[in-house]
Amino acid sequence: EAGVTQFPSHSVIEKGQTVTLRCDPISGHDNLYWYRRVMGKEIKFLLHFVKESKQDESGMPNNRFLAERTGGTYSTLKVQPAELEDSGVYFCASSRGTVLPGGYTFGSGTRLTVV
Amino acid sequence: GQNIDQPTEMTATEGAIVQINCTYQTSGFNGLFWYQQHAGEAPTFLSYNVLDGLEEKGRFSSFLSRSKGYSYLLLKELQMKDSASYLCAVSGTTDSWGKLQFGAGTQVVVTP
Repeated sequence: EAGVTQFPSHSVIEKGQTVTLRCDPISGHDNLYWYRRVMGKEIKFLLHFVKESKQDESGMPNNRFLAERTGGTYSTLKVQPAELEDSGVYFCASSRGTVLPGGYTFGSGTRLTVV
Repeated sequence: GQNIDQPTEMTATEGAIVQINCTYQTSGFNGLFWYQQHAGEAPTFLSYNVLDGLEEKGRFSSFLSRSKGYSYLLLKELQMKDSASYLCAVSGTTDSWGKLQFGAGTQVVVTP
């Protein structure tokens, strides 16, 4: 089966601009997660979708971040307006269920640089 | 507060054994997971522990002591390709197993 796909793989934008990251989960995976790794820090949870619904968005940093998952398929994460501290690697992961994160597959990430 | 601690870096020789320790303090506990991440790539799942004890999967084993808030990942017969970052992660919420709290990762360097 195809893995979790994220694009773009890299994005460099200026402070104040808008960027939209996309994640295509593995087909049939109802659970989709966004995580972020800021340089030098650990990977941190942003939010969790079950199908098209937000199950948990407790990790979203502020209202400049908007995540959507239309139709319960792919998801987008928009940052508007971007700030310097938003730079980092944004990972998406998906799983069929939530009981076994062993089946939790990560994408390769989008490296976002805000200059 | 909630904390997951693991060493920053470890170096070992090809063919040797390396043990990566992880200690955690979280408000809840459902399970502990180990992931491997090569530079620029996706983290890949290695193992998980829900109950105390040792789980073995080929060259990799993981141990958990819930009473001590402690786990380790054991890598045996090290190969050059094992040079990577190893991430300890805890699932600590009852409503969502998938929400993981990660440690900062341990960079393992395997030398010839």
